[in-house]
This record gives sequence, structure tokens and C-alpha cells, in this order.
Amino acid sequence: AQSVTQLDSQVPVFEEAPVELRCNYSSSVSVYLFWYVQYPNQGLQLLLKYLSGSTLVKGINGFEAEFNKSQTSFHLRKPSVHISDTAEYFCAVSDLPLRSGNTPLVFGKGTRLSVIA
Amino acid sequence: DAGITQSPRYKITETGRQVTLMCHQTWSHSYMFWYRQDLGHGLRLIYYSAAADITDKGEVPDGYVVSRSKTENFPLTLESATRSQTSVYFCASQGFQETQYFGPGTRLLVL
Repeated sequence: AQSVTQLDSQVPVFEEAPVELRCNYSSSVSVYLFWYVQYPNQGLQLLLKYLSGSTLVKGINGFEAEFNKSQTSFHLRKPSVHISDTAEYFCAVSDLPLRSGNTPLVFGKGTRLSVIA
Repeated sequence: DAGITQSPRYKITETGRQVTLMCHQTWSHSYMFWYRQDLGHGLRLIYYSAAADITDKGEVPDGYVVSRSKTENFPLTLESATRSQTSVYFCASQGFQETQYFGPGTRLLVL
């Protein structure tokens, strides 16, 4: 079964500085990879996803992530963060298209990004 | 409005009481999910459903019951609430390219 490790539980960063949130998953077989963002007192919303093709994926709000199959990683980056990026970020992985009997999406435990003015 | 909704948004109950959390989606997505979110544990899957009348256990199903008589609804019932079930509960449905869409959550406090 897949597992997801988000290496940092909390990341403080100054406004306008770059940030990287790290994510590693357990298997190197074909996977779908996702980053979700959760703003305070809200549900999760999709930031970006990798299904196939280019390993560099661009998402909303200026975020991007790079799929690295050899290192089984899918790190999230933003070159210049804003106060409004303060939120919890979740990495998630799925082995296959979801069908009966397959394991659904597996989430990491989250990284709390705090942007400091 | 289209989307996924949860009710109630906030609930306080007492130990031993039955509580039902409602989830409704308007997209006709086949798959629906219930998660609980707790500090230090991230999101943990409770139950999921592939279609009406088809449900499967997730990581933490004990103490919970689900049903899915209609595609658009996926209620979660705590048959006899315990303090350890105090949490934030999220419902989600899955659409194109395995993307999950989440409801706003229900904050449950069990006294």
C-alpha cells in the first residue's frame, strides 16, 4: 500500500521569500500525485496534480511541483510567497485509477506554512 | 448551487448519543468519501463508497456506519458517540482524473 511522507510539519517563511514543501511517497510504480491546500476553517481544495507527461506541474496561485520518479518525490515550490499563502498543505498519492478493490487516495499528514510579514 | 455540502457545520453532543452527519453532492460523482481530521494525524479515511449501495471501510471505520441509498447523498452515523470521535469531519466526492472535491467540514464536539 502507498504511504506519503511530508517531511516538515511546519514551515515558517518570510513574505516574498521562496518556499519548498517536501513530499515523498513509497512506491515507484505508476502513480497519480496531488497537492491540496486547506485555508483556515475550510475544506481542502486542489492546488495541482500530476497524472503523466511533463514532470513540472503548474498549479493555482503561482505554485508548481516537480515529479521525480527516481527519488519518489513530488516537492511543492513557490518562488515568492504572500501572506495569503498561509495554510495547511497536503500531498496525496494514488496508485491507479480508482476502481473497486483499489486503495483510494492516500494523504500525507500535512505541512503548515506560515508566512511572516 | 452545484457542489458538495455538509450539514450540520457544527455539532455538540453527549457521549452515547447517536449523531448523523450529512453529505450531499450535485455532480453525480460515483465515488464519495468520509475523512476525519485530527491534529497530528492529518486526514484519515473512515469509509468510502463506489456507488449507491456499495461501501468500503477505510483506515478508521470503528464506531461509524455509512449508507448510500442515492448517488448524491452519503450520510455518516456515529451510533454511540465517544469523546475520541471529537474531530472535524470532511466529506469528498471524486471526479475526473481522480480529483477529490471536499465539503466545508463538520466540527463535532462530544462531551
